[in-house]
Amino acid sequence: NAGVMQNPRHLVRRRGQEARLRCSPMKGHSHVYWYRQLPEEGLKFMVYLQKENIIDESGMPKERFSAEFPKEGPSILRIQQVVRGDSAAYFCASSPVGQGQNEQYFGPGTRLTVT
Amino acid sequence: GENVEQHPSTLSVQEGDSAVIKCTYSDSASNYFPWYKQELGKRPQLIIDIRSNVGEKKDQRIAVTLNKTAKHFSLHITETQPEDSAVYFCAAITLKGAQKLVFGQGTRLTINP
Repeated sequence: NAGVMQNPRHLVRRRGQEARLRCSPMKGHSHVYWYRQLPEEGLKFMVYLQKENIIDESGMPKERFSAEFPKEGPSILRIQQVVRGDSAAYFCASSPVGQGQNEQYFGPGTRLTVT
Repeated sequence: GENVEQHPSTLSVQEGDSAVIKCTYSDSASNYFPWYKQELGKRPQLIIDIRSNVGEKKDQRIAVTLNKTAKHFSLHITETQPEDSAVYFCAAITLKGAQKLVFGQGTRLTINP
């Protein structure tokens, strides 16, 4: 049973370019969460999605950032016109469906470097 | 919203001794408290969790205690080993509404041989 998959694992972008980060949840999981981790810091919630729905995007900057989880395919976190401050590790996590099923399992992360 | 405070930020113990990491949370509606271990450059790994209807949970050398009245929960690692060295994060989640984890700041645990 494959775990949460993320790609790419490392991404280098120049300032002003776009970054696309992908996340495939664990089999049987339909809830996806994105977190950002700055160097030497904790994880900060960005957005929570279910298939075709954004449930909570309160942690995501209003500009340049967007997320989706289409009916088919992985969840995508998109950062437009990247700036140096966007350099961080971006982790996604997934959890199962169902009341009380709230364990979140993390993917390996995408380390974004903006030059 | 929820706020989670974690202490200490760094902890160094001798191999074989016990380590304790403490967290407090602010939202009394929180009812799920996981602990994650993160090794350098790796993903956070869920190591143990506790729900609000349980006061203590144990899994081999690790245990978690929860005091809902004080809004306080702790991770206990006994008979520490070098491979326990990592950063540990506590988190809290409210099951009402969006189920987002709010993390503590992390504790860097070093086990000295």
